[in-house]
Amino acid sequence: GAVVSQHPSRVICKSGTSVKIECRSLDFQATTMFWYRQFPKQSLMLMATSNEGSKATYEQGVEKDKFLINHASLTLSTLTVTSAHPEDSSFYICSAQDRGTGVLTFGAGSRLTVL
Amino acid sequence: LAKTTQPISMDSYEGQEVNITCSHNNIATNDYITWYQQFPSQGPRFIIQGYKTKVTNEVASLFIPADRKSSTLSLPRVSLSDTAVYYCLVGDYGGATNKLIFGTGTLLAVQP
Repeated sequence: GAVVSQHPSRVICKSGTSVKIECRSLDFQATTMFWYRQFPKQSLMLMATSNEGSKATYEQGVEKDKFLINHASLTLSTLTVTSAHPEDSSFYICSAQDRGTGVLTFGAGSRLTVL
Repeated sequence: LAKTTQPISMDSYEGQEVNITCSHNNIATNDYITWYQQFPSQGPRFIIQGYKTKVTNEVASLFIPADRKSSTLSLPRVSLSDTAVYYCLVGDYGGATNKLIFGTGTLLAVQP
């Protein structure tokens, strides 16, 4: 079945630094990828929709200059958290959508801790 | 976008059948219904998808009434490993508004 690889699974960084998270669709082409963040005991919150070759569409309240999304190929999307602060600490999850069925395949998630 | 409503939590015992219902009163004609399972600190995993009536696969069944304003995920004979959060999503996957919004989900706790 479809597999989405997300790296790193865990990252700890200092406040003010930038962190990049990669999301790859391993056995299918994903023209659309979605980025979510999830706080403890809460549901997934959609941050942005990433379309291959075009600018990402951000949800209301998500700072596009802080959360940079690049979808340069049909198999790779990246999320860069710039100038990270402790409040950015969260679980970030990417997903890729099967164009035929619309089913989302999710990555394993990336736990970001900003000190 | 169709909004979904689910019970926050459910309890069950091993071996029982569990039915989780999701309300989506303003579902659109082109919307499909998809259920996902999520374990702590993991990405959600696809369970089942349907449009109308009944769909069954190796792990679950999905019942959708004629008006499609709700759907019920049925898990036969649950085990402890089925303890997880279950989300129903509604979306027009091929349309312009194909982003998928997660509701609160249902935390299913299976006890021995």
